[in-house]
Amino acid sequence: QVQLVESGGGVAQPGTSLRLSCVASGFSLTYYGMHWVRQAPGKGLEWVAVISYDGSNRYYADSVKGRFSISRDNSKNTLYLQMSSLRPEDTAVYYCAKGNSASWAAPAVDWGQGTLVTVSS
Amino acid sequence: DVQMTQSPSSLSASVGDRVTITCRASQRISNFLAWYQQKPGKAPKVLIYAASTLQSGVPFRFSGSGSGTDFTLTISSLQPEDVATYYCQEYNSAPPLTFGGGTKVEIK
Repeated sequence: QVQLVESGGGVAQPGTSLRLSCVASGFSLTYYGMHWVRQAPGKGLEWVAVISYDGSNRYYADSVKGRFSISRDNSKNTLYLQMSSLRPEDTAVYYCAKGNSASWAAPAVDWGQGTLVTVSS
Repeated sequence: DVQMTQSPSSLSASVGDRVTITCRASQRISNFLAWYQQKPGKAPKVLIYAASTLQSGVPFRFSGSGSGTDFTLTISSLQPEDVATYYCQEYNSAPPLTFGGGTKVEIK
């Protein structure tokens, strides 16, 4: 069955960088758009970024544009989120999620368990 | 950017009640709308996409309707396991893919 496992979270100081990974199994990443969605403690869901099946289209929330970069390695069945210039307000659980089509404009139909990123000095 | 407004922000209903949650988009999004359920401490789960298409495995007591700017998620007979927060999300032609603020559903 579809499984998404995120890793790479932890505690980071403001201004530093972290890279999140999401390893997919049970399906080929090649055919699907993929999302990152985050949830700050006690808050709602915030869409962060999306990438189309081949990486040709990448879009970001305004709150992370210019600081975060989404990428994928289909040969490794892995999705990434490179986060730079981290801020305390980036503190959240980060989920990777699989779209239901190759397009980036698709709902997230399978989700990982999330990885917690805490930005604090 | 499209803004998604959910209402109510919370509700309390009895087991067996019919529950309705609404989501309004600030501009027309055709039927590019999904509904998610999130139980405490768990990842979200998609219930409905394309405004009214039930995701495989989701109980038939969940249904969605609407098009354009106004959408509804209905639970026909509330069950104890439906206690959760529900979110709508638009995925129209231009990012960001905005979520609504969420509706917390509790049992009375």
